[in-house]
Amino acid sequence: AQKITQTQPGMFVQEKEAVTLDCTYDTSDPSYGLFWYKQPSSGEMIFLIYQGSYDQQNATEGRYSLNFQKARKSANLVISASQLGDSAMYFCAMREGLDNYGQNFVFGPGTRLSVLP
Amino acid sequence: DADVTQTPRNRITKTGKRIMLECSQTKGHDRMYWYRQDPGLGLRLIYYSFDVKDINKGEISDGYSVSRQAQAKFSLSLESAIPNQTALYFCATSDVLPDTQYFGPGTRLTVL
Repeated sequence: AQKITQTQPGMFVQEKEAVTLDCTYDTSDPSYGLFWYKQPSSGEMIFLIYQGSYDQQNATEGRYSLNFQKARKSANLVISASQLGDSAMYFCAMREGLDNYGQNFVFGPGTRLSVLP
Repeated sequence: DADVTQTPRNRITKTGKRIMLECSQTKGHDRMYWYRQDPGLGLRLIYYSFDVKDINKGEISDGYSVSRQAQAKFSLSLESAIPNQTALYFCATSDVLPDTQYFGPGTRLTVL
């Protein structure tokens, strides 16, 4: 079964508008971490934001915020005031348990975001 | 300078050849990982190492081997390359806590 689901293969957003990229996850472990990465066309993987399962508040990093809804098992990435440079693939990832044991760190299939001028 | 470097960045080889991809990091992390990325499949873990004496298989280790030469160096080898190993390969490192993984720039490998 898929541990991480990203249901939007592709998204479009107008420059300066906000956009939400969906991520749902599946785990029975009460302790886990959720990550978002950005992969621009140049190919590198850039860490954006992290949310722990016990964190009380939604994580924020500059224009990025994570809308964490634990009961729904969703961890959507919100990008405010989109910029042309935000056009990229975005991957949601999850680490099950308190520590990374390698195989308990999984990535979703990604969402391609295109920002329109 | 980049914290995680990979060499080569691009490589074209032929079926049956032995290939080594190298990864070096200056982040001081003990943990290192090798991933493979195929279109539409996200990243899949090949091998990981939590210290110099620790090597573990990931989800898709068949056809690959690794060597952890030092804390800062982790190499991935394809003993006899085949066309379905054509992919983008990433090295990553992490600390224990927080365990955020930081990625190298990737190596694009083509096996003809």
